[in-house]
Amino acid sequence: GQNIDQPTEMTATEGAIVQINCTYQTSGFNGLFWYQQHAGEAPTFLSYNVLDGLEEKGRFSSFLSRSKGYSYLLLKELQMKDSASYLCAVRDGDYQLIWGAGTKLIIKP
Amino acid sequence: GAGVSQSPSNKVTEKGKDVELRCDPISGHTALYWYRQRLGQGLEFLIYFQGNSAPDKSGLPSDRFSAERTGESVSTLTIQRTQQEDSAVYLCASSLRAGDTDTQYFGPGTRLTVL
Repeated sequence: GQNIDQPTEMTATEGAIVQINCTYQTSGFNGLFWYQQHAGEAPTFLSYNVLDGLEEKGRFSSFLSRSKGYSYLLLKELQMKDSASYLCAVRDGDYQLIWGAGTKLIIKP
Repeated sequence: GAGVSQSPSNKVTEKGKDVELRCDPISGHTALYWYRQRLGQGLEFLIYFQGNSAPDKSGLPSDRFSAERTGESVSTLTIQRTQQEDSAVYLCASSLRAGDTDTQYFGPGTRLTVL
């Protein structure tokens, strides 16, 4: 079956670094996406990985290992505004995304 | 338009009534997606349009759910004889085309509450 696993909730301190993991088991693989979703708002795109390795974009980086079915999102220099849910999604075919339940990140001062 | 828009933003209805949710995608985006998100859960795929055609309706939960798209633009999601289990946020997303690296851009959602 199709399965995307992420931790339900994580807590981190302002200014610190946090790593949010995502493991997946899907029938196919055609890319992995990370989205950020603030409470009551729509998801917004953060990153896309289709090849193994690290993609860096400012304070956010995303890593992919296709052989391990594993990805992580790394957030550096955490700010209070980073408090949100982070959604991992895998494209298993031409278009459909399979979504994880999301990781709620709580930032404490 | 500047982004994906959805209406209404909130809808409260009585069990058994029909509801219609609207999505206006980003201009020029040929692919359009509908998702459902229950409280504290991930996104559940409902249906996808490429142009005005819906190649994949497999995510629609029951025959009470239907969707259409016209003019490769606006889409409506209709839920007939609503049930309390239909209460959720319904999100619409669009992308330039399906597949490849295309990013899906989401609208703000319609929060549906069935009493």
